[in-house]
Amino acid sequence: GAGVSQSPSNKVTEKGKDVELRCDPISGHTALYWYRQSLGQGLEFLIYFQGNSAPDKSGLPSDRFSAERTGGSVSTLTIQRTQQEDSAVYLCASSPRSGFGELFFGEGSRLTVL
Amino acid sequence: AQSVSQHNHHVILSEAASLELGCNYSYGGTVNLFWYVQYPGQHLQLLLKYFSGDPLVKGIKGFEAEFIKSKFSFNLRKPSVQWSDTAEYFCAVKGNTPLVFGKGTRLSVIA
Repeated sequence: GAGVSQSPSNKVTEKGKDVELRCDPISGHTALYWYRQSLGQGLEFLIYFQGNSAPDKSGLPSDRFSAERTGGSVSTLTIQRTQQEDSAVYLCASSPRSGFGELFFGEGSRLTVL
Repeated sequence: AQSVSQHNHHVILSEAASLELGCNYSYGGTVNLFWYVQYPGQHLQLLLKYFSGDPLVKGIKGFEAEFIKSKFSFNLRKPSVQWSDTAEYFCAVKGNTPLVFGKGTRLSVIA
């Protein structure tokens, strides 16, 4: 399909383990965003990329969180030494360009930390 | 910092009732405004958007929203809801930061 693709759709891990979440944006979209959706908390901005660079990392909750984007396409969000409070749905979105806010979302990766 | 406030956490309506979901934002500059919808088991999708011009914007499925600059509001309306409108609705604003979302309003439409 032509939409934003995320994997895995579900991930259960043990506290202290590292996890990687992958996002494949819509082809040609230069901007890519990561959000976190927790129950009752709405969507929390984490980081965004314009091309391969990340002008705004202000939303990353701690230094255990990092993200990269290669080739102006696929992005990986890595969470090291996971904690139970990291449990959430991690959403990726892409946009033809940054600055206007119209985002196209994937279905998310649900992370459960036991 | 920008913020978005959605006043209703959960709204329950009967089919054919009218809907209005409140949204207020805090940012004094130029904004782009959005409503996104998340149907059960589906991903977030755009319902409607406001960039400039006519403050009354129409979106998909009969939804509309009105931007009132003096009130920093962008309320969502629909004259007559259907069971299929059951979903979670998110208001979002883009000022000088990436898109900021409200906490969402869950709409349940009962027959």
